[in-house]
Amino acid sequence: AQSVTQLDSQVPVFEEAPVELRCNYSSSVSVYLFWYVQYPNQGLQLLLKYLSGSTLVKSINGFEAEFNKSQTSFHLRKPSVHISDTAEYFCAVSDLKNYGGSQGNLIFGKGTKLSVKP
Amino acid sequence: NAGVTQTPKFQVLKTGQSMTLQCAQDMNHNSMYWYRQDPGMGLRLIYYSASEGTTDKGEVPNGYNVSRLNKREFSLRLESAAPSQTSVYFCASSGTGFNEKLFFGSGTQLSVL
Repeated sequence: AQSVTQLDSQVPVFEEAPVELRCNYSSSVSVYLFWYVQYPNQGLQLLLKYLSGSTLVKSINGFEAEFNKSQTSFHLRKPSVHISDTAEYFCAVSDLKNYGGSQGNLIFGKGTKLSVKP
Repeated sequence: NAGVTQTPKFQVLKTGQSMTLQCAQDMNHNSMYWYRQDPGMGLRLIYYSASEGTTDKGEVPNGYNVSRLNKREFSLRLESAAPSQTSVYFCASSGTGFNEKLFFGSGTQLSVL
């Protein structure tokens, strides 16, 4: 069985500071990894994903995550955050058997609330 | 573009009452999903429908039933609501293919007293 651990439930940072949201997973098979973001009172939106190829993946708004197979991690980073990045961030994992059948068959972490202060 | 539409947005039930949460998507997606979100628990998949005419159990299906009415609509039914089903429910849809992503509705906040 797969699982996802988000090590921090809340991360407060000041605007323009760097941030890292940590995600570790466990799986006995090859995985696909995702970061979703949830702004207040909204549904989740895909931020970025790793399916194959380059282990460093980037989003259009400056976030990036690196798949590290040896450390079973997929940490999310941004070099300089904005107030508008305040949201809850969810790491999620799937595998070929589950994801190949249905893209929403994901195991989600418990979430990390990022709070950006001026 | 409406995307994924869920109704109602809020609902309060008494223990034992039944209700149906409605979800419709206008993106011609094959797959649809129901999740619940509880504080400190992340999202958990209740049921999904990979294509019209099929439904499968997710991680937490007990106490729920679903119907894929047609390609657009996927409903979630609570036959006898329990306080443990107090949660925020999200419907989502996706196309078929590895590069497809999930599109989420705005959620239904359900309280069972």
